[in-house]
Amino acid sequence: DIQLTQSPSSLAASVGDRVTITCRASQRINGHLNWYQHKPGKAPELLIYATSNLQSGVPSGFSGAGSGAEYSLTINSLRPEDFTTYFCQQTYRTPWTFGQGTKVEVK
Amino acid sequence: QVQLQESGPGLVKPSETLSLICSVSGGSISRYSWTWVRQSPGKAMEWIGYVSDSGSTTSNPSLSSRVTISVDTSKTHFSLRLSSVTAADTAVYFCGRLGLVGTAYYLDHWGHGTLVTVSS
Repeated sequence: DIQLTQSPSSLAASVGDRVTITCRASQRINGHLNWYQHKPGKAPELLIYATSNLQSGVPSGFSGAGSGAEYSLTINSLRPEDFTTYFCQQTYRTPWTFGQGTKVEVK
Repeated sequence: QVQLQESGPGLVKPSETLSLICSVSGGSISRYSWTWVRQSPGKAMEWIGYVSDSGSTTSNPSLSSRVTISVDTSKTHFSLRLSSVTAADTAVYFCGRLGLVGTAYYLDHWGHGTLVTVSS
């Protein structure tokens, strides 16, 4: 199975800060990397698909980048509603796998 | 606006079969592929499997001998059956719709999830 190591597992930031979360795969995944936001008790929401494609309706402050086995999600300017959990997923090889998640908290 | 809603028993006895339905509204079920994911307490999401728009299924090898995923297009829902459950199958189960760009899949719509506890 392809392992995804997401870092950091948590971070503390302030409204307006720029934050970057990374996802490292145990092998090259050819850009098949997605990012989701998950608020407690709600349905997860797709932010970025296939490395850098912004899902319709997602604010432009979210962006994704990467290649090979290294990928990142950047939130350009944190808004109050962005303080929650983010996780990555690879769909390059089955079984599809997920990162452990990053919790973005208020500093 | 596509909406997905999981439903099914919240409590299943060990060795029995877990059965969940994902009801799909606001969009066609037959034109898409559909998937199930679960999250056990304190763990990462775990992909269970998917059913393609052609009806073929692919599942996680760690579960495949126990998993059945199917689509009922006439009733606009798809389902998950997981047999011979143990306490390790206790999790929040999510259903999702799959999008595809090139050869890359992604979940573009998710349900809210439903907690299933395996206990006698």
